[in-house]
This record gives sequence, structure tokens and C-alpha cells, in this order.
Amino acid sequence: GESVGLHLPTLSVQEGDNSIINCAYSNSASDYFIWYKQESGKGPQFIIDIRSNMDKRQGQRVTVLLNKTVKHLSLQIAATQPGDSAVYFCAENSGGSNYKLTFGKGTLLTVNP
Amino acid sequence: NAGVTQTPKFRILKIGQSMTLQCTQDMNHNYMYWYRQDPGMGLKLIYYSVGAGITDKGEVPNGYNVSRSTTEDFPLRLELAAPSQTSVYFCASSYSRGIITYEQYFGPGTRLTVT
Repeated sequence: GESVGLHLPTLSVQEGDNSIINCAYSNSASDYFIWYKQESGKGPQFIIDIRSNMDKRQGQRVTVLLNKTVKHLSLQIAATQPGDSAVYFCAENSGGSNYKLTFGKGTLLTVNP
Repeated sequence: NAGVTQTPKFRILKIGQSMTLQCTQDMNHNYMYWYRQDPGMGLKLIYYSVGAGITDKGEVPNGYNVSRSTTEDFPLRLELAAPSQTSVYFCASSYSRGIITYEQYFGPGTRLTVT
């Protein structure tokens, strides 16, 4: 079946820099995408989502960009802080039912002080 | 609201033993899910439920069973535990309306080791 994948398994940035985490998806029928943050020993925490009728959505220090032409999703974190260190997962509602999510493997973001 | 709660947090089982992982949500969500997460991997869907009395298999259902007698509770049963079931298990819930997808809220997880 089609699935979501990530370009980079690890990303290391300096505190204060901007971070960009990328995600490729292959199911053109997906119309809902979501980013989760998972800290060590905890459950995934919702960050931001976007629907396919949008190209960009902004939250607090985070922006998600959706490029449907090349089936690419990215998460931008502004002024990255040590507390942003975590694994970040993208997910899409691929499959026969829209409410089920397919998760990528995740990208480990490390923020150096 | 407590959100999604799971018990126990940790458990060690011997091969062949059985156990039930508990999951409760207080957000009145109709959809609930069970995932497993192996080290360095993403989440794989085990079972899900779209409402009380309705459950269905996900991607990796073998060796597990679920029930959904109430909106709030969605227990996961492991029968005849095997080492391959060593993993971290997450329960999640979500709101739904028609065909619109909404974000899933996750519990803190249960770390299970089968030896």
C-alpha cells in the first residue's frame, strides 16, 4: 500500500536557527496531513495539521507547507529551542477510510545549545 | 479533561501469558485506535473502533483482540504473548463528523516486554 516517508532520519540544528523537516507522500487521494511531536518516553503530541485545499498553515512558531504537485509536506520550526528536541512524525489519511492515519518513520530533531 | 489514559505504564510478560491493556478517554470521541511502535519506527495500527460495539482490524491485528462496550473504554487483549509483541503500545482517540478527518489524541503509552 502507499505510505508516508521522510527524507531525513536525523536533523541537528543550533538553538535559535530555523528547522525544516520534510515528508514525502505517495497517495494522491490523501486530503488531510498532520505533524506530531514525540518526546522520549511519551505519546505523540499534535503540532499542526493541514487539509489539501490549503498550501500553507501557520501556528505558534510552526508552519506547515503542502505541495500537492510533488506530494511533499514540510514542517518549519522558527527559532528552534532545546525543548523542540524530539522525533517528528508526519501522517496522512491514506487508505480506504479518511479517519485512519498512516505514519512515517519519523525524523529525530536535535537542538544544540 | 484527562484526555487519553492508559494502564499499566510498564509490564513484563512471560511467553504464553495473557494481559489486557486498558485505555480510557474522556473527550466523548467516537473513534478510538490502538497502535504499536517498535524501536526507531513509526506507528502501526492494530485495531480501531468507530463507536461502541464496532471494531475492525488495522494493519497488524494478529495476536490481539479488542472490544468497545462503551464510548470511553477500548481495551486491548493479548492472548498467548510472544516476544514479537514486545513494543510500546499507544491508544488514541479522535472526533469525527461525516468524512472529515480530525487529529488523533494519544495516551502516554504502555511499554510491554515479553520474555
